[in-house]
Amino acid sequence: GAVVSQHPSRVICKSGTSVKIECRSLDFQATTMFWYRQFPKQSLMLMATSNEGSKATYEQGVEKDKFLINHASLTLSTLTVTSAHPEDSSFYICSARDRQKVAPYEQYFGPGTRLTVT
Amino acid sequence: EDKVVQSPLSLVVHEGDTVTLNCSYEVTNFRSLLWYKQEKKAPTFLFMLTSSGIEKKSGRLSSILDKKELFSILNITATQTGDSAVYLCAVEAYSGAGSYQLTFGKGTKLSVIP
Repeated sequence: GAVVSQHPSRVICKSGTSVKIECRSLDFQATTMFWYRQFPKQSLMLMATSNEGSKATYEQGVEKDKFLINHASLTLSTLTVTSAHPEDSSFYICSARDRQKVAPYEQYFGPGTRLTVT
Repeated sequence: EDKVVQSPLSLVVHEGDTVTLNCSYEVTNFRSLLWYKQEKKAPTFLFMLTSSGIEKKSGRLSSILDKKELFSILNITATQTGDSAVYLCAVEAYSGAGSYQLTFGKGTKLSVIP
């Protein structure tokens, strides 16, 4: 149980285009999903927290107009990188918190999406 | 601003050695400290620690938290090549409006050579 999937696992796009990344909780309902970004040899940096049915909360320094987050259902959140540039190339990871669980470790990570912008 | 510092940043050991990874933190509204192992993809959960002085153990891995001194250690005994990975420490803290967030350290890259 507690599986989180991400799609696509890897994407290459041209500068100026937009890319959508999906994060799904497969066997549980997630009221909260988190989006992280990880640059090479760096740690995971939280970009935003999204709660189902409400606007995402963005961390300082993350442009909400560039990284659009939609959490339309209890099992799906999407991150759209708009007008992508090479500096947006990174590893994007989502995690989801099971609404039935309260323990802090019950935040499950997806496998990540490697975005390369050329 | 919440801060999590791990040391060393990288470590090379021989199979069979014992290693200790360190994590110190400064956060407000601390709730728990978590250890993850990250290989090529997303982190996998190892331990969650909320109370000082209580050792968590799983096979050759163990971890303990000191809430007074604000640090945790992760021990791996009899290391194997399969232990090679980046070990991430994260602290969960209350961030307001009923939500909690994880702040990650930069990780310790462990390389175990045969």
